[in-house]
Order: sequence, then C-alpha cells, then structure tokens
Amino acid sequence: EADIYQTPRYLVIGTGKKITLECSQTMGHDKMYWYQQDPGMELHLIHYSYGVNSTEKGDLSSESTVSRIRTEHFPLTLESARPSHTSQYLCASSEGSPHEQFFGPGTRLTVL
Amino acid sequence: AQSVAQPEDQVNVAEGNPLTVKCTYSVSGNPYLFWYVQYPNRGLQFLLKYITGDNLVKGSYGFEAEFNKSQTSFHLKKPSALVSDSALYFCAVIRRGRDDKIIFGKGTRLHILP
Repeated sequence: EADIYQTPRYLVIGTGKKITLECSQTMGHDKMYWYQQDPGMELHLIHYSYGVNSTEKGDLSSESTVSRIRTEHFPLTLESARPSHTSQYLCASSEGSPHEQFFGPGTRLTVL
Repeated sequence: AQSVAQPEDQVNVAEGNPLTVKCTYSVSGNPYLFWYVQYPNRGLQFLLKYITGDNLVKGSYGFEAEFNKSQTSFHLKKPSALVSDSALYFCAVIRRGRDDKIIFGKGTRLHILP
C-alpha cells in the first residue's frame, strides 16, 4: 500500500543527545519535505528535497540537517537536542506540480 | 509576496448547520489552492484543491470550496456539519510557475457542537 511513514511517533530524550527522525514513502515521489509544528499551530517548512542528493533549507531556520540518498528515504538529524527543539515534526511528499502533498503521521519530540 | 490568511482562529458551529472556514490569498498571477484537515495527533490530510476550471470544487467528507478570483478567496464549506468534522483546517497556496513549496495558512480550529 502506498503510504508515508514516520518513526518514532513519540520520542522523549535528554538534552545533548543526537537523534534521527525517520521518514519513508512508498509512492516513488521525487519531492519530500519536513515541517515543524507546535501542537495546534501553524506549519513551518524547515527542509525540502526535489530528488536524490538534493536538499534545501526551508523558510524557518533549523539546527537540524537532512539527507536524501534514496528516493524513498528522507531522515532528519539533530546533532545535539535542546529543549527548544521540542515540537512535532511532519514529513510530506509530492510528485509533480501542482499535486497535493501527502503527510506522514508526525513525530512528537520532547527534549528534557 | 505569496501569502495565505485564515482570519478566524476558531469557528464554532452547531451540528447539522452549514459551516464556512474562510481563506484569502495573495499571489501574483493565478494560484493553485488547497485545503487540508488535521485531526489530533495526526498529520495533515488532503481535502480538495483548485487548479483551474469550475470555481466550485468538491472534496472529501462532503466538503467543498469556492474559488473567487475577484475577492481572492477560497472558503471551505459544508452544508451540514458533523461532530466528527471537529479538527484543525489549513488553507494553502502555490503560485503557478513556481516550485512545489506550498505556503500554509495559520490554521482554523473548527468546533462542531452537538
């Protein structure tokens, strides 16, 4: 079944830890995106990719980094997590334009 | 600059009544317009989009939206609200000819009262 997956769904970690949020899609989409969203609030684009080996920073500055080595995989990494990184992270993908984006279920990150 | 405005943070509607969630946009040229819904602890789900053609667009779960070029609006509507429609709704726009960076509105929380 074509879908977009994010793991973990919930993560609670201590300050200073390195974390990677996983995002995978089985739809063969070229374009993938990461958004940061505080609960019930607006979305902020933090990274996007238009294909393998292509990554760009989004509108909201973020200390995270991303990679796109395979079409279906777009992980996000925080080298040293801080409480200010506490938020929900949503991954999305799309194909062509102006097609809609498909969203994963999100990862809710809490940094203590 | 490209932008989307959702003027209401929250909309309350009694079950069975018609609902409207407002959205206005600002882009140069013709837009592509979208509505998404977000249920608690979930990602966004696509509801409907306007690309071209008929100004009234029908989408999932009985929702529809009307594109009004003169008023630069794309309001979301449903004739009869259900309690299960309670969620956070996002309007979004892409400027034609640009890449796929969608600009989202700030969201409107819809409460359907039983």
